Amino acid sequence: DTGVSQDPRHKITKRGQNVTFRCDPISEHNRLYWYRQTLGQGPEFLTYFQNEAQLEKSRLLSDRFSAERPKGSFSTLEIQRTEQGDSAMYLCASSLSGMNEKLFFGSGTQLSVL
Amino acid sequence: GQQLNQSPQSMFIQEGEDVSMNCTSSSIFNTWLWYKQDPGEGPVLLIALYKAGELTSNGRLTAQFGITRKDSFLNISASIPSDVGIYFCAGRESGGSNYKLTFGKGTLLTVNP
Repeated sequence: DTGVSQDPRHKITKRGQNVTFRCDPISEHNRLYWYRQTLGQGPEFLTYFQNEAQLEKSRLLSDRFSAERPKGSFSTLEIQRTEQGDSAMYLCASSLSGMNEKLFFGSGTQLSVL
Repeated sequence: GQQLNQSPQSMFIQEGEDVSMNCTSSSIFNTWLWYKQDPGEGPVLLIALYKAGELTSNGRLTAQFGITRKDSFLNISASIPSDVGIYFCAGRESGGSNYKLTFGKGTLLTVNP
């Protein structure tokens, strides 16, 4: 078990381009989360999957954002027509649902939109 | 949405000193988690708390779930240089979604050797 894995670690893109990030959760975890973190702030919830079902999306997630978890394992987060305001650290976390649920985070993808 | 007030925002201490930080919310929480984050990395889970009054230790770290269920505290004893980083509290609101974590803004800890 190598923990939550995210790829790429860093992405630099030009405004207007599309980007896609991948997250591989801890293998037995059924829940997967995407968070966004900007400088000087704590992580903010974006969206959540239980198995392959996307059960909630934050208002922070505009129509340009889409997330999938097709087989209930890895997940992708795509941002279309990137804007400078999208620059942030995108964090993926996974957990095993239950009473004493704990979220484990990956190392994140740092996105810079020029 | 729910906001967590985490204090202090930053601390600058000498190696060997003890450290205390806390987090408060305006509503009742049923879970408190404490994370540490190093620059360019994701948050690493330190301690998880699930019951009011619960006191849990992880090495030199001790955290408590406040009895009002609206606050939590983290103490670090005998600090060392590798304790440097940003410490975040996170919690789940009672009666809210059973999965969403709300984070504080973090406490930046600097340890002077």
